[in-house]
Formats: sequence, C-alpha cells, structure tokens
Amino acid sequence: SQQGEEDPQALSIQEGENATMNCSYKTSINNLQWYRQNSGRGLVHLILIRSNEREKHSGRLRVTLDTSKKSSSLLITASRAADTASYFCATVDSWGKLQFGAGTQVVVTP
Amino acid sequence: EAQVTQNPRYLITVTGKKLTVTCSQNMNHEYMSWYRQDPGLGLRQIYYSMNVEVTDKGDVPEGYKVSRKEKRNFPLILESPSPNQTSLYFCASSFQTTGSEAFFGQGTRLTVV
Repeated sequence: SQQGEEDPQALSIQEGENATMNCSYKTSINNLQWYRQNSGRGLVHLILIRSNEREKHSGRLRVTLDTSKKSSSLLITASRAADTASYFCATVDSWGKLQFGAGTQVVVTP
Repeated sequence: EAQVTQNPRYLITVTGKKLTVTCSQNMNHEYMSWYRQDPGLGLRQIYYSMNVEVTDKGDVPEGYKVSRKEKRNFPLILESPSPNQTSLYFCASSFQTTGSEAFFGQGTRLTVV
C-alpha cells in the first residue's frame, strides 16, 4: 500500500516560475525524503527532512514538513528546463522502510 | 564510483520461463530492496533485506523470490513469470539507519509475453 500521495499528479510551468508539489501520508514517520526521476531512469535522492524539522533548504529546493497534518511540500524555485522530471516523496518509518507515493510529473517549458 | 548495478537493463521473456535480475552495490550497504514501478502506482516494494541472510516481504511479493547470500548482491528471481509482472524494476540500497538516503540502480524493464 502507498504511504505517500503526491499532489498534483502533473504540473506544467515555464522556465523561471516556481514549482510546488505536496505529499500527504497516513502513519507516523521517522523522516521524509524527496527523490527525482528522469524518464525511465533510477531515482536520485534530493533532500531528507526529519520528523522534528519543519523546513529545509538545498540550493533551489525548499522542503517543509507538517507532522500534525501529515504533509510535506517541495518547492523548486526559478525552474529550469532541466528540472523536467517526476518527483516522488518517500516516507521512512522507525524500521527504515521507504514507502513511495505515485509521484508528480513536472514539465518545465523554455 | 558508488553505485548500484542492475542487469539486464531490458528483458523480454515468455510466460513461465524462469529469470533472474541481478543487483550489486559497492557501498557496503546493509539494506537492499526491490521495487516495481507501474504507471500511476509509483514504486511498490517487492522484497527487502536488512543484511546477509535476512530477507522479508514487501507490499507486493507474490510471484517473486530473493536471496541475500553476500552483502553486495541481492538478486530478484521470477520462477514462473506472468504477463502481469511486466514492469520497470528497481533495486535500491542504503545504510541500515533511518536517516539514510537510498541509492537506486538504473532499472530493468521487463516484458513478459
């Protein structure tokens, strides 16, 4: 069963705009991670936020976590065409098990 | 270079013909797992292993087997493949800590006809 649910399923924006996607989950977590996948390729880790953290930044990425609402958001600022990919959130429980959502497909047009 | 290597990358096979997809990592990770990815369903975990000789079922284990005889290798075995196992498969590994990122292989696209 899926733990995380991303919203929206697909997002189309122009270069320079910000892209925001959300992830909701059902059970308690140890941390939440975001991954990126270019078409048909392996996932690449972007950022990890622990359950006691509320916000984290990495370059043009900003992640928030609200454990009371069981939700997280990923913001990509000043999008580039190279950001076109699918983005997945993954929750990690106390045993270290990763569970992925269905992903958000982001298309950035020049 | 730290990596997870899967083979083959592409495979077309017939129903019932046993196959093995290999996965190897060079990072001394304890935790390894297999996922399948289907459109609209994200990644679903098939099996995972917390260390050598320790394996357990994930969310969709039916029709699959695994083994972990060595720390670096975690092969996925389909004893009698069926068309509903046509999918994109990923192997991943990480250190056995909850705060560890997972490293993924490049994927194996399997078609069962």
